[in-house]
Amino acid sequence: DQQVKQNSPSLSVQEGRISILNCDYTNSMFDYFLWYKKYPAEGPTFLISISSIKDKNEDGRFTVFLNKSAKHLSLHIVPSQPGDSAVYFCAASPSGTYKYIFGTGTRLKVLA
Amino acid sequence: EPEVTQTPSHQVTQMGQEVILRCVPISNHLYFYWYRQILGQKVEFLVSFYNNEISEKSEIFDDQFSVERPDGSNFTLKIRSTKLEDSAMYFCASSMAGGTHHGYTFGSGTRLTVV
Repeated sequence: DQQVKQNSPSLSVQEGRISILNCDYTNSMFDYFLWYKKYPAEGPTFLISISSIKDKNEDGRFTVFLNKSAKHLSLHIVPSQPGDSAVYFCAASPSGTYKYIFGTGTRLKVLA
Repeated sequence: EPEVTQTPSHQVTQMGQEVILRCVPISNHLYFYWYRQILGQKVEFLVSFYNNEISEKSEIFDDQFSVERPDGSNFTLKIRSTKLEDSAMYFCASSMAGGTHHGYTFGSGTRLTVV
C-alpha cells in the first residue's frame, strides 16, 4: 500500500536556504493533506495542512503547495534553520474519514 | 501547552503475553487515535475512537487488539496475545474535532518490544 510516497529519504540544506520536501500520492479521494515534523523520541508534530480545493497554504516560514493534476504536494521551508532538522512526514486523509495515511518520511538536515 | 501523555515509554513483553498501553489525551479533546510505526517503516493508522466507540479501524486492528476509555481521562490499547511482529512504536493521538485539517496532537509514543 503505497498511496502516499516520499521518494527522498534524506535532504541536506544550508542554513538560510530553502528546503523543499516532496510527496506524491495515488488516491484522488484524499481531501486533506498535512505535513508533520518528528524529532527523535517524540511523536509527530503537526506543521501545516492544505485542503484539496486549494493549491497553496502558507504559515510563516512554511508553505505547502498542492498540484492535484500531478498528485503532488511539496513543503517549502524558507529560510531553513538548524532547528528544522527532523524527519518530515507527508500525510493524507481519505474523504469521509478521520485517519491519515502517512508517507515514509524525509530526514531533513539543516547545516549551520 | 497541553500534551498527550503515554506510559510506559518502553515496554518489553514475552510473546503471547497481554500488554496494555496507556494514554492520557488532552482533556477537552473528543477524538482519540492509535497509530504505530514499525522500525524503519511508515506511521500506520490503527484505530479511531469517538463517543465511547470505535469509529474506524484498519486491517491491522484485528481481534487481538482492543481499545477502551475506562474513565474520563485514560485511553488504552490492549494487545491480547503479542506476536514478534507487534514490536513497534505505538503513538496515541487526540483531537478536538474529527475533521482532520487541523491535525492531531500526538504523544511521544510507547516502544513495545516483543521477545
